[in-house]
Amino acid sequence: GQQLNQSPQSMFIQEGEDVSMNCTSSSIFNTWLWYKQDPGEGPVLLIALYKAGELTSNGRLTAQFGITRKDSFLNISASIPSDVGIYFCAGQGYGGSQGNLIFGKGTKLSVKP
Amino acid sequence: DGGITQSPKYLFRKEGQNVTLSCEQNLNHDAMYWYRQDPGQGLRLIYYSQIVNDFQKGDIAEGYSVSREKKESFPLTVTSAQKNPTAFYLCATGPWGETQYFGPGTRLLVL
Repeated sequence: GQQLNQSPQSMFIQEGEDVSMNCTSSSIFNTWLWYKQDPGEGPVLLIALYKAGELTSNGRLTAQFGITRKDSFLNISASIPSDVGIYFCAGQGYGGSQGNLIFGKGTKLSVKP
Repeated sequence: DGGITQSPKYLFRKEGQNVTLSCEQNLNHDAMYWYRQDPGQGLRLIYYSQIVNDFQKGDIAEGYSVSREKKESFPLTVTSAQKNPTAFYLCATGPWGETQYFGPGTRLLVL
């Protein structure tokens, strides 16, 4: 079945630093979504991407839909403490259950001690 | 107040007991989904419904059951057949084949 690899699994950030994370798929997706989850809460949609090559921003967040349709990147510029949390990528593919999302295992952002 | 509501926020289950988690939405979305999240893990699909009176098994449906009698509601029952039910349960809704939006979640704990 389809699989998503999300990396890194975790990272420490210092206020003001830029952060990058990515997801790669074993097959082609037609939609990429990026979510952020705070502890004990449901994931919140950050950015949705619908076309290969698309680059979309939401404030300090920028995400790109890879031209191969098998990857996506999320960048956070000038990180602040409230950026801490778990970021999930999700892809939506083709086929019989086309409405279903495949999720990465998440990238956990923590503040550098 | 628009959105997706899940209740209760915390739920305790005794051994051998069935429990039902509620998910309600007033966003007029056709599709609704139930996911399970274990610590440090991604989301795994339990059941989904494209439309009222229709639902399909996801990747980990064993020990769970659902109904979709109304567009707004998609309750999940965790049956006694689910031997490891402790997890965070998330409901999501959206137009079928498009973006999914999540509720606040229910944490289920076993006594």
